[in-house]
Amino acid sequence: AQSVTQLGSHVSVSEGALVLLRCNYSSSVPPYLFWYVQYPNQGLQLLLKYTSAATLVKGINGFEAEFKKSETSFHLTKPSAHMSDAAEYFCAVSEGTGGFKTIFGAGTRLFVKA
Amino acid sequence: EAQVTQNPRYLITVTGKKLTVTCSQNMNHEYMSWYRQDPGLGLRQIYYSMNVEVTDKGDVPEGYKVSRKEKRNFPLILESPSPNQTSLYFCASSRRSGQGTDEQYFGPGTRLTVT
Repeated sequence: AQSVTQLGSHVSVSEGALVLLRCNYSSSVPPYLFWYVQYPNQGLQLLLKYTSAATLVKGINGFEAEFKKSETSFHLTKPSAHMSDAAEYFCAVSEGTGGFKTIFGAGTRLFVKA
Repeated sequence: EAQVTQNPRYLITVTGKKLTVTCSQNMNHEYMSWYRQDPGLGLRQIYYSMNVEVTDKGDVPEGYKVSRKEKRNFPLILESPSPNQTSLYFCASSRRSGQGTDEQYFGPGTRLTVT
């Protein structure tokens, strides 16, 4: 069964600094990998998704993620943090192999300091 | 506007009193799902549905029921709520993909408190 690990429940960066949020999935390659963002008191919205078409995926708000099969990773990055990026971020994988579950990581809360 | 709606948004109830949280989507999506969100645990899938009359258990189905009689609606039923079901609940929908679940569209959430 698929599993997702997000390293770091809280990450704090200064405005303008690099944002790096880590996500590792279990060994079997899932058909889809996702990053979702949750702003306070809101539902989740999609940032970006990997569908095997390209290993570097660009999403909304300047975020991107790179799929690395050898490292079973799908880390999320943004070159320059903005105050409005403060939110909780979730990595998720689609179960695949005929299954239709979605497995979410525990989430990483991003704090952006002025 | 494409959206997933949930009602109610907030609910406080007592142990054992049956309740239903409704979910509706207007995107003609085949796939719908319910999640609960708890601090430090992320989102955990309760039930999902691949299409009308087709449902399956997620990772935490105990204490919950669902039904999918119409494509647009997927209500979550708690027959006898208990305090450990106090949580934030999200409904989501997506297109069905042959390879797995595609990106999901989430409702605004229902905060449930069971005393």
